[in-house]
Parts: sequence; C-alpha cells; structure tokens
Amino acid sequence: DAKTTQPPSMDCAEGRAANLPCNHSTISGNEYVYWYRQIHSQGPQYIIHGLKNNETNEMASLIITEDRKSSTLILPHATLRDTAVYYCIVSPSGNQFYFGTGTSLTVIP
Amino acid sequence: GAVVSQHPSRVICKSGTSVKIECRSLDFQATTMFWYRQFPKKSLMLMATSNEGSKATYEQGVEKDKFLINHASLTLSTLTVTSAHPEDSSFYICSATPRARDRDTQYFGPGTRLTVL
Repeated sequence: DAKTTQPPSMDCAEGRAANLPCNHSTISGNEYVYWYRQIHSQGPQYIIHGLKNNETNEMASLIITEDRKSSTLILPHATLRDTAVYYCIVSPSGNQFYFGTGTSLTVIP
Repeated sequence: GAVVSQHPSRVICKSGTSVKIECRSLDFQATTMFWYRQFPKKSLMLMATSNEGSKATYEQGVEKDKFLINHASLTLSTLTVTSAHPEDSSFYICSATPRARDRDTQYFGPGTRLTVL
C-alpha cells in the first residue's frame, strides 16, 4: 500500500513556482522519497529523489522536513508542459514502488 | 541515458488469445524489472518484480499463471497475458533499475495499451 498522501489536484500560473506537498508520516529510516510525474498515456518520468537532505537538479528541488514526515517538490518556473500527475513515493532504494493517487497539476497560461 | 522501451505500444486482440509485451533497457543493464498496470484515471498498480534468471515475485491478487513473466537477460523482460479477456484491457507499464549507476532509481517504459475485444 502507498505510504504517502497528496492533494488530489493543484493549479499553478505559468512562470510561477509550483510547490507540491507530500505527507509520509510513517516513512522508515531506510526509505527514500521519490518523485515521478506522468503525462497522459505515457510512462512515469523520474524527477528527483532524496533520503534526508534537500536535493536539486535541472528539473526540480526536493525539500524534506527534518523529521522526514513530509516533503515538497518545487518546480521553480512552471510551464504548460509541466501539466501532469505528480506522484510521491517512499521506497527503500528503488525497490517495489506502491503508487498513491498523486496530485494532478494544471499549469494555467 | 537510462532509456526503457516497450513493444508493442498498442495491441488489440481477440478474447482467448495470448499477448506478449516486451520491455527492454536500451542503454543499461537492469538488475530488476517491474511490471505495472494502470486502469483509466487510476494510479499504477505493481503486478510483479523480476530479477534476471529467477522467477518473478507476484503481488497479492495477481495470477501468476495469467500473467507470465520471463526475464531472460539483463536487458529484456517479457509479460505474456494468457487467454486474455476484456477485463484484462489496461495500460501495462514496465520499469527497470540499473545494475550500476543510479542503482536506487526506477526508469519507466512508455507503456503498452492492451485492448481485448
């Protein structure tokens, strides 16, 4: 079963930062936080993952709270192509992923 | 890098026939491959985990005789839906975990849309 809770939907204005929250209050010490997104009728695309520290790559930033019970994915300058369903997943090192319902992000022109 | 392909991308078959879906890691060797299915407007559901050269591990409620998985090499896994029925119509997606770099990340294929008439 998925161990994460995400809001079902969010809107974001084009060009603004999109902040997507995720709760994972039962996360274990060896579990990473992964973020993927899925554009309609395609396979999920890897975005970022982290264990304890905040992470940043060319796509996004991942902020993990100190107690690791929640995290936020930040898309710094959302574009229309960022419209997708975003999934937050906790898993030990790339093993079985149990997807939750995700957040449907709509970027508005 | 880390590209996963699936073939076919779309298949339509008659009820009672079997369908094979291929999943390939194109630029890396995969320690483990995973198979998921997704119904319309629903999330992905893990079906099974397979390691090269060993039997797949199926999730609870997934019929292993219905969904045959073969992981013949470090770059190829196949899913065969046997005696397909309309309720097997779904979007099937595979993923792979690299053997070397990025070992703790799964990379997903583009999916296969199966329609059983």
